[in-house]
Amino acid sequence: QVQLQESGPGLVKPSQTLSLTCTVSGDSISSSGYYWSWIRQHPEMGLQWIGYIDYSGSTYYNPSLKSRVTMSLDTSKNQFSLELSSVTAADTAVYYCAGSGTTFEYWGQGTLVTVSS
Amino acid sequence: DIQMTQSPSTLSASVGDRVTITCRANQSIHIWLAWYQQRPGRAPKLLIYQASYLEIGVPSRFSGSGSGTEFTLTISSLQPDDFATYYCQQYSSYYTFGQGTKLEIK
Repeated sequence: QVQLQESGPGLVKPSQTLSLTCTVSGDSISSSGYYWSWIRQHPEMGLQWIGYIDYSGSTYYNPSLKSRVTMSLDTSKNQFSLELSSVTAADTAVYYCAGSGTTFEYWGQGTLVTVSS
Repeated sequence: DIQMTQSPSTLSASVGDRVTITCRANQSIHIWLAWYQQRPGRAPKLLIYQASYLEIGVPSRFSGSGSGTEFTLTISSLQPDDFATYYCQQYSSYYTFGQGTKLEIK
């Protein structure tokens, strides 16, 4: 059974970069056919897919966030990461990492990130 | 962008009721639709994929149907654990979610 766990700062200052890591257990993140996503949930705006990185390291980002998002894989640690630059209060949300073969079968528990000075 | 619209936003029902939630896309997504259940403080849980396929371990009282632009999630006989928020999500072009339907106890 694949399990995911997010980690990273819970508080980020405006204009800085939000950085989160997702540790995967139960399978290798470089197994073919897997896609590793970040999804966030605003209380008012619902669920928003941020982007994914696939098993080969290719990335696909939500066009609305593309200019600020970078994702990467660390196969030695079985982790993948998210960087979101130039954050504002609108980026305050619960951030989930998720794994998919077809759609989002596996989810982390989520981590709240607050953007505030 | 593919937009997903769920109705109703809130649904009040009783244990044992049969309930249906509708999800509409603003363009055809064929059968590339999933349904999730989310309980407070928890991550969404995949219930149904490809419009009508039940994820392993999900009770058979859950069912999905539809294709193109209109889809439904039906719970045949509500159980206490089913009172939660339900989301549809398309994966025809990137991924977008509906705004959610909160299923409340009447």
